[in-house]
Amino acid sequence: AQSVTQPDIHITVSEGASLELRCNYSYGATPYLFWYVQSPGQGLQLLLKYFSGDTLVQGIKGFEAEFKRSQSSFNLRKPSVHWSDAAEYFCAVVTTSGTYKYIFGTGTRLKVLA
Amino acid sequence: DGGITQSPKYLFRKEGQNVTLSCEQNLNHDAMYWYRQDPGQGLRLIYYSQIVNDFQKGDIAEGYSVSREKKESFPLTVTSAQKNPTAFYLCASSLKPSSYEQYFGPGTRLTVT
Repeated sequence: AQSVTQPDIHITVSEGASLELRCNYSYGATPYLFWYVQSPGQGLQLLLKYFSGDTLVQGIKGFEAEFKRSQSSFNLRKPSVHWSDAAEYFCAVVTTSGTYKYIFGTGTRLKVLA
Repeated sequence: DGGITQSPKYLFRKEGQNVTLSCEQNLNHDAMYWYRQDPGQGLRLIYYSQIVNDFQKGDIAEGYSVSREKKESFPLTVTSAQKNPTAFYLCASSLKPSSYEQYFGPGTRLTVT
């Protein structure tokens, strides 16, 4: 069965430090992968997506993610975190067999220390 | 501005009452979705609709009902049969059912006591 795992429930980093949020997926075919960000009490905003091609994907707000098929991973990175990046981050894979459905990870909550 | 609106932001109901959550989009999207979000569980799909007058159950449809009479609107009713209705509910839409990118509304927090 398809699944998405975000191993870190909470991550705390200092402002200006680099960030990496982990995402592993289980899916038989070529995955379509997404990262979303959610501020408290708000909806989800798309950060970036991977469908095919270059495995390093650039997104909004200075985020990037790298697709590694051999590791079934799609980790999100940012070189220098800003206080406004504090939020919850969700990785998702879209199933393309039959109905197109999102499968979300359980999320990683990021705290940024001033 | 185009987008998805959900109302109200906060909703309180007594146990045993049905309640309807509103979702409206002016993006001219064909497909719409309802998700439930609980702490530590990510998002789970309740119902989705690919076209007007058609909808399908998602992973946790029990105790919920929907309608899609207009392209712009996809209301969700939480019935008294839903055992744990207190949650954050998110509506989303995509241009086509085969469009991979979904756009989310701001959500409705439902509290049932």
